[in-house]
Amino acid sequence: DARVTQTPRHKVTEMGQEVTMRCQPILGHNTVFWYRQTMMQGLELLAYFRNRAPLDDSGMPKDRFSAEMPDATLATLKIQPSEPRDSAVYFCASGSPRADWNIQYFGAGTRLSVL
Amino acid sequence: DAKTTQPNSMESNEEEPVHLPCNHSTISGTDYIHWYRQLPSQGPEYVIHGLTSNVNNRMASLAIAEDRKSSTLILHRATLRDAAVYYCILASGSRLTFGEGTQLTVNP
Repeated sequence: DARVTQTPRHKVTEMGQEVTMRCQPILGHNTVFWYRQTMMQGLELLAYFRNRAPLDDSGMPKDRFSAEMPDATLATLKIQPSEPRDSAVYFCASGSPRADWNIQYFGAGTRLSVL
Repeated sequence: DAKTTQPNSMESNEEEPVHLPCNHSTISGTDYIHWYRQLPSQGPEYVIHGLTSNVNNRMASLAIAEDRKSSTLILHRATLRDAAVYYCILASGSRLTFGEGTQLTVNP
């Protein structure tokens, strides 16, 4: 059963620390998305990649957030330095070019708490 | 992105059909209508999508109005496991813009 894998599932850190979240997209999927979910803002798109190249990162605070795809099987989202307002659930999703490429498959998320 | 309007919440009884409405009066000709749902403590899950014609799959049916300004997600027999937030989304590219969705409660 192919699925998007996110690690860690939970992360508690102190303000100012670097946080790295990882995502393994479904094998063969070439589009990867990062979302953030909070009670106040709901689900927001932060950035997305196609064929490992960033297509849109307009939703991401540029000063502290960065997203990369070192290879086709790994996407990372980094926050440096982290702040309490970054506390949220971060979801990764991937999409397939062979099927309907608008369908996104989501991971279980990383719940981040910044103290 | 074109906007959708959904009721904040709906209730249903187990094993009864559920009709979840969505209004999208500003839909453009290239917008697909997508539905996702999010169960508690999980990531969103794709349910169904369509462009103009009604669609059926193993999870649900999607009824699209002739003028495409509204659509209805139909769960034929609700189960307790269908309790979730249901999102109606218009998409004409890779981006999905999630609104607030409809919180569906299923009563035993």
